[in-house]
Amino acid sequence: EAQVTQNPRYLITVTGKKLTVTCSQNMNHEYMSWYRQDPGLGLRQIYYSMNVEVTDKGDVPEGYKVSRKEKRNFPLILESPSPNQTSLYFCASSLGGTGLDLRKEPQYFGPGTRLLVL
Amino acid sequence: AQSVAQPEDQVNVAEGNPLTVKCTYSVSGNPYLFWYVQYPNRGLQFLLKYITGDNLVKGSYGFEAEFNKSQTSFHLKKPSALVSDSALYFCAVRVGGYQKVTFGTGTKLQVIP
Repeated sequence: EAQVTQNPRYLITVTGKKLTVTCSQNMNHEYMSWYRQDPGLGLRQIYYSMNVEVTDKGDVPEGYKVSRKEKRNFPLILESPSPNQTSLYFCASSLGGTGLDLRKEPQYFGPGTRLLVL
Repeated sequence: AQSVAQPEDQVNVAEGNPLTVKCTYSVSGNPYLFWYVQYPNRGLQFLLKYITGDNLVKGSYGFEAEFNKSQTSFHLKKPSALVSDSALYFCAVRVGGYQKVTFGTGTKLQVIP
Protein backbone atom coordinates (compact mmCIF):
# COMPACT_ATOMS: atom_id res chain seq x y z
CA GLU A 1 0.00 0.00 0.00
CA ALA A 2 1.29 3.44 -1.00
CA GLN A 3 1.68 5.48 2.13
CA VAL A 4 3.55 8.01 4.21
CA THR A 5 4.32 6.86 7.74
CA GLN A 6 5.32 8.91 10.74
CA ASN A 7 6.63 7.90 14.13
CA PRO A 8 5.82 8.42 16.85
CA ARG A 9 2.15 9.33 16.53
CA TYR A 10 2.05 10.92 19.96
CA LEU A 11 4.90 12.35 21.99
CA ILE A 12 5.14 14.16 25.29
CA THR A 13 8.53 15.63 26.14
CA VAL A 14 10.16 18.34 28.21
CA THR A 15 11.80 21.57 27.20
CA GLY A 16 15.30 21.12 25.84
CA LYS A 17 15.26 17.37 25.30
CA LYS A 18 16.23 16.62 21.73
CA LEU A 19 13.78 14.60 19.70
CA THR A 20 13.35 13.24 16.20
CA VAL A 21 10.14 12.53 14.34
CA THR A 22 10.65 10.08 11.52
CA CYS A 23 8.90 10.16 8.16
CA SER A 24 9.07 7.53 5.46
CA GLN A 25 7.33 7.11 2.11
CA ASN A 26 7.21 4.08 -0.16
CA MET A 27 6.13 5.82 -3.36
CA ASN A 28 9.59 6.77 -4.64
CA HIS A 29 8.62 10.43 -4.36
CA GLU A 30 11.33 13.01 -4.69
CA TYR A 31 9.62 15.93 -2.95
CA MET A 32 9.00 15.72 0.79
CA SER A 33 7.88 18.32 3.25
CA TRP A 34 7.06 18.96 6.89
CA TYR A 35 4.14 21.04 8.17
CA ARG A 36 2.78 22.04 11.51
CA GLN A 37 -0.92 22.52 12.10
CA ASP A 38 -2.14 24.93 14.74
CA PRO A 39 -5.71 26.08 15.46
CA GLY A 40 -6.60 29.19 13.50
CA LEU A 41 -3.34 29.10 11.56
CA GLY A 42 -3.90 26.15 9.25
CA LEU A 43 -0.87 24.30 7.95
CA ARG A 44 2.45 26.05 7.80
CA GLN A 45 5.41 24.64 5.95
CA ILE A 46 8.54 24.07 8.05
CA TYR A 47 11.04 22.56 5.61
CA TYR A 48 10.92 20.84 2.28
CA SER A 49 13.25 18.70 0.23
CA MET A 50 13.42 18.48 -3.53
CA ASN A 51 15.61 15.36 -3.49
CA VAL A 52 18.34 13.58 -1.57
CA GLU A 53 20.68 16.08 0.08
CA VAL A 54 18.55 19.02 -1.14
CA THR A 55 16.55 20.80 1.54
CA ASP A 56 15.24 24.30 2.02
CA LYS A 57 13.34 26.38 4.53
CA GLY A 58 9.61 26.83 4.47
CA ASP A 59 7.73 29.56 6.27
CA VAL A 60 8.46 28.56 9.89
CA PRO A 61 11.87 26.82 10.05
CA GLU A 62 13.12 28.29 13.34
CA GLY A 63 13.88 25.63 15.92
CA TYR A 64 13.79 22.74 13.47
CA LYS A 65 16.30 20.78 11.44
CA VAL A 66 15.86 18.20 8.71
CA SER A 67 18.01 15.85 6.71
CA ARG A 68 17.48 13.85 3.53
CA LYS A 69 20.12 11.17 3.24
CA GLU A 70 17.84 8.66 1.58
CA LYS A 71 15.02 9.23 -0.84
CA ARG A 72 12.38 7.56 1.29
CA ASN A 73 13.18 9.18 4.65
CA PHE A 74 12.88 12.77 5.83
CA PRO A 75 13.25 13.08 9.62
CA LEU A 76 12.34 16.24 11.52
CA ILE A 77 14.70 17.11 14.36
CA LEU A 78 14.00 19.40 17.28
CA GLU A 79 17.37 20.02 18.90
CA SER A 80 15.99 21.90 21.90
CA PRO A 81 12.19 21.78 21.93
CA SER A 82 10.23 24.59 23.51
CA PRO A 83 6.55 24.80 24.51
CA ASN A 84 5.73 26.92 21.45
CA GLN A 85 6.57 23.89 19.33
CA THR A 86 3.64 22.02 20.79
CA SER A 87 1.64 21.22 17.69
CA LEU A 88 0.37 18.62 15.25
CA TYR A 89 3.02 17.76 12.68
CA PHE A 90 2.50 16.32 9.23
CA CYS A 91 4.94 14.90 6.75
CA ALA A 92 4.00 14.88 3.07
CA SER A 93 5.47 13.74 -0.21
CA SER A 94 4.80 14.20 -3.90
CA LEU A 95 6.24 13.32 -7.26
CA GLY A 96 9.02 15.46 -8.64
CA GLY A 97 12.15 15.23 -10.71
CA THR A 98 13.39 15.91 -14.18
CA GLY A 99 10.66 16.36 -16.75
CA LEU A 100 7.87 16.44 -14.21
CA ASP A 101 6.20 19.67 -13.21
CA LEU A 102 6.22 19.56 -9.44
CA ARG A 103 3.71 22.38 -9.25
CA LYS A 104 0.98 20.15 -10.63
CA GLU A 105 1.44 17.29 -8.22
CA PRO A 106 -0.72 16.81 -5.13
CA GLN A 107 0.86 15.86 -1.87
CA TYR A 108 0.30 12.67 0.11
CA PHE A 109 0.21 13.16 3.85
CA GLY A 110 1.19 11.02 6.77
CA PRO A 111 -1.20 10.47 9.70
CA GLY A 112 0.35 13.16 11.86
CA THR A 113 2.40 13.38 15.04
CA ARG A 114 0.93 15.15 18.02
CA LEU A 115 3.70 16.73 20.09
CA LEU A 116 3.39 18.23 23.55
CA VAL A 117 6.40 20.05 24.96
CA LEU A 118 6.17 20.74 28.70
CA ALA B 1 4.33 36.48 -1.51
CA GLN B 2 1.54 34.02 -2.08
CA SER B 3 -1.40 33.71 0.28
CA VAL B 4 -4.66 31.87 0.63
CA ALA B 5 -7.75 32.95 2.54
CA GLN B 6 -10.61 30.80 3.72
CA PRO B 7 -13.01 33.38 5.11
CA GLU B 8 -15.29 30.98 6.97
CA ASP B 9 -14.09 29.03 9.97
CA GLN B 10 -17.17 26.83 9.83
CA VAL B 11 -19.91 26.09 7.33
CA ASN B 12 -23.12 24.35 8.33
CA VAL B 13 -25.35 22.77 5.74
CA ALA B 14 -28.30 20.39 5.86
CA GLU B 15 -27.87 16.94 4.40
CA GLY B 16 -28.98 16.89 0.77
CA ASN B 17 -28.44 20.60 0.26
CA PRO B 18 -25.70 22.02 -1.95
CA LEU B 19 -22.54 23.13 -0.18
CA THR B 20 -19.88 25.72 -0.92
CA VAL B 21 -16.58 26.21 0.89
CA LYS B 22 -14.86 29.43 -0.09
CA CYS B 23 -11.24 30.08 -0.97
CA THR B 24 -9.54 33.16 -2.36
CA TYR B 25 -5.89 33.50 -3.25
CA SER B 26 -3.27 36.14 -3.88
CA VAL B 27 -0.26 35.31 -6.03
CA SER B 28 2.02 36.89 -8.57
CA GLY B 29 1.86 34.54 -11.50
CA ASN B 30 -0.36 31.68 -12.50
CA PRO B 31 -1.63 29.73 -9.51
CA TYR B 32 -1.82 25.99 -9.06
CA LEU B 33 -4.70 25.41 -6.64
CA PHE B 34 -5.58 22.40 -4.55
CA TRP B 35 -8.26 21.28 -2.14
CA TYR B 36 -7.58 18.78 0.64
CA VAL B 37 -9.86 17.21 3.23
CA GLN B 38 -8.93 16.17 6.75
CA TYR B 39 -11.08 13.74 8.70
CA PRO B 40 -10.68 13.56 12.49
CA ASN B 41 -7.36 12.06 13.60
CA ARG B 42 -6.24 11.59 10.01
CA GLY B 43 -3.81 13.22 7.64
CA LEU B 44 -4.92 15.37 4.75
CA GLN B 45 -6.26 13.73 1.61
CA PHE B 46 -6.12 15.26 -1.86
CA LEU B 47 -9.53 16.13 -3.35
CA LEU B 48 -8.90 18.03 -6.56
CA LYS B 49 -6.65 20.52 -8.29
CA TYR B 50 -6.74 23.32 -10.85
CA ILE B 51 -3.74 23.65 -13.13
CA THR B 52 -5.04 25.22 -16.32
CA GLY B 53 -7.89 24.94 -18.78
CA ASP B 54 -11.48 24.32 -17.79
CA ASN B 55 -12.51 26.51 -14.88
CA LEU B 56 -14.69 23.78 -13.37
CA VAL B 57 -12.69 20.86 -12.07
CA LYS B 58 -14.07 17.64 -10.70
CA GLY B 59 -12.55 15.60 -7.93
CA SER B 60 -13.08 12.80 -5.48
CA TYR B 61 -16.30 12.01 -3.59
CA GLY B 62 -18.47 14.12 -5.91
CA PHE B 63 -16.72 17.39 -5.13
CA GLU B 64 -15.95 20.03 -7.71
CA ALA B 65 -14.37 23.45 -7.64
CA GLU B 66 -14.76 26.55 -9.72
CA PHE B 67 -11.74 28.66 -10.61
CA ASN B 68 -12.48 32.34 -11.15
CA LYS B 69 -9.45 34.33 -12.23
CA SER B 70 -11.08 37.76 -12.06
CA GLN B 71 -12.24 37.17 -8.49
CA THR B 72 -9.11 35.18 -7.58
CA SER B 73 -11.30 32.48 -6.08
CA PHE B 74 -11.39 28.71 -6.07
CA HIS B 75 -14.55 27.67 -4.24
CA LEU B 76 -15.25 24.04 -3.41
CA LYS B 77 -18.75 22.78 -4.18
CA LYS B 78 -20.93 19.74 -4.01
CA PRO B 79 -24.50 19.49 -5.30
CA SER B 80 -25.82 17.37 -2.42
CA ALA B 81 -24.08 17.19 0.95
CA LEU B 82 -23.69 13.97 2.91
CA VAL B 83 -23.21 13.65 6.66
CA SER B 84 -19.97 11.82 5.88
CA ASP B 85 -18.66 15.00 4.19
CA SER B 86 -18.28 16.57 7.63
CA ALA B 87 -14.58 17.31 7.96
CA LEU B 88 -11.97 20.05 7.82
CA TYR B 89 -11.22 21.39 4.33
CA PHE B 90 -8.05 23.15 3.26
CA CYS B 91 -7.32 25.18 0.16
CA ALA B 92 -3.67 25.41 -0.98
CA VAL B 93 -1.74 27.25 -3.65
CA ARG B 94 1.54 26.61 -5.40
CA VAL B 95 2.97 29.29 -7.68
CA GLY B 96 5.07 28.49 -10.69
CA GLY B 97 8.77 28.58 -9.94
CA TYR B 98 8.24 28.25 -6.21
CA GLN B 99 8.54 25.03 -4.30
CA LYS B 100 6.70 26.27 -1.27
CA VAL B 101 3.08 25.40 -0.67
CA THR B 102 0.77 27.79 1.13
CA PHE B 103 -2.36 26.52 2.87
CA GLY B 104 -5.41 28.37 4.07
CA THR B 105 -6.50 28.22 7.69
CA GLY B 106 -9.12 25.58 7.01
CA THR B 107 -12.92 25.48 7.05
CA LYS B 108 -14.83 23.05 9.19
CA LEU B 109 -17.81 21.65 7.30
CA GLN B 110 -20.67 20.36 9.39
CA VAL B 111 -23.43 18.51 7.53
CA ILE B 112 -26.54 18.28 9.66
CA PRO B 113 -28.78 15.21 9.27
